[in-house]
This record gives sequence, structure tokens and C-alpha cells, in this order.
Amino acid sequence: DIQMTQSPSTLSASVGDRVTITCRASPSISSWLAWYQQKPGKAPKLLISKASSLETGVPSRFSGSGYGTEFTLTVSSLQPEDFATYYCQHQETFGQGTKLEIK
Amino acid sequence: EEQLVESGGGLVQPGGSLRLSCAASGFTFSDYWMHWVRQGPGKGLMWVSRIKSDGSSTIYADSVKGRFTISRDNAKNTLYLQLNSVRAEDTAVYYCARVKISHCFNGVCYVEDAFDMWGQGTMVTVSS
Repeated sequence: DIQMTQSPSTLSASVGDRVTITCRASPSISSWLAWYQQKPGKAPKLLISKASSLETGVPSRFSGSGYGTEFTLTVSSLQPEDFATYYCQHQETFGQGTKLEIK
Repeated sequence: EEQLVESGGGLVQPGGSLRLSCAASGFTFSDYWMHWVRQGPGKGLMWVSRIKSDGSSTIYADSVKGRFTISRDNAKNTLYLQLNSVRAEDTAVYYCARVKISHCFNGVCYVEDAFDMWGQGTMVTVSS
């Protein structure tokens, strides 16, 4: 079975900060990783697929990178609407989630 | 407008049954693999089940295997999840989700490993 380990579980940051969330896979998953944003009471929203491909309409401050076993989601300059929970996903496995909070 | 709309959630007693529906509109439903994903109160996302575009193949999470059944009616543009022998730990918001298609060529569509559309979710509460 694929294991997906996401870190940190909680991240406190301020508007304008650059933040990075990490997702580790075991074993290697090539570039088959997606990132989602979920706000309270809402369905998840796909941000990035194939590790680094930004979905249409997603702001360019979001970026993804990585291959094999280590992946990152970076927000270059946090905006108020970015405070949410983020999940990585490969096939049937989701990471545990990272709650991005306002410092 | 493309959308997925779930229905059928509610309160059910332990050991009971419930059928969830997911109505698709605005896109060619029969082209897409579909999944169910659930989220317990205050918990993360947990994958439940998947069905291929023509309904020919289904898979399930171990925790629901033998109790839940995924199906679809492409003529009605609807996805289903039959929940039987439910337990307290099945309490969750249930989402249907569409698998992203990267491209189609010669009538064959190639899927990506991502869910590009989600319904709004339907709440299932298992309690006596």
C-alpha cells in the first residue's frame, strides 16, 4: 500500500508570507500527486495535478513541485482567502491534511 | 454549468441501510470514472470507492468492502452508493468526485490521478 505523510499538520502564518507544505510518499509515485484546498463546510478544490500542473483559475501564487517520494506545495505570498486546510493525494490515498492558520 | 449534486444522506440506525445519489449535469457523465470520498466530523478525507466510466470495474476501501456498493446509471447521469450494515464510524459527509481526464484520443480518454470536480456533500449520521 502507498503511504502518504503530510507535514506539518498545522502551520501558522501571516498574510504575505511564503509557506511550504510537504508530502512524502512511500514507495515512489512518479509525479502522480495532486493537491487540494478545503475550506470549512465546503468540498475540496483541486489546485494542482501531476505534482506541478496548476488547474485553470488557480492563482499563480500556488505552485507544486517534486517527483518520486517528496513533494511540496508552496504559496508564494499568502492572501486572506488562502487560510484553509490542504491535502495531498495519490490514487486512493490522501495525506492527513495541513491546516493553515492565521498567526 | 458542470456540477455534481449529492442527495440521500440522513440519520440511520446502526445496522441499517441508506442509498446515496450523485446527479451529474453539464458534462458527458459516461466519459468519467467516479469516486466516493468521505470525511468524518473534524477528520481528514478518506477514499471510499471507485467505479469506471462504463461501470465495468469497482474497488472499495477495506473498511467498507462487503457493506457498501457503488454503481451508476449513465442513462440517468447518476452515481450511487448503497450503504448496508452501517456502523457509527461510517458517520461522515460523503462526497462524489469526478476523475480528471487528461486527454481523449481516438475515442479513448486517459484519466489523471486527481479529482477535478466534487459535489457539495451529503451528511450520513449513524446513531441509535
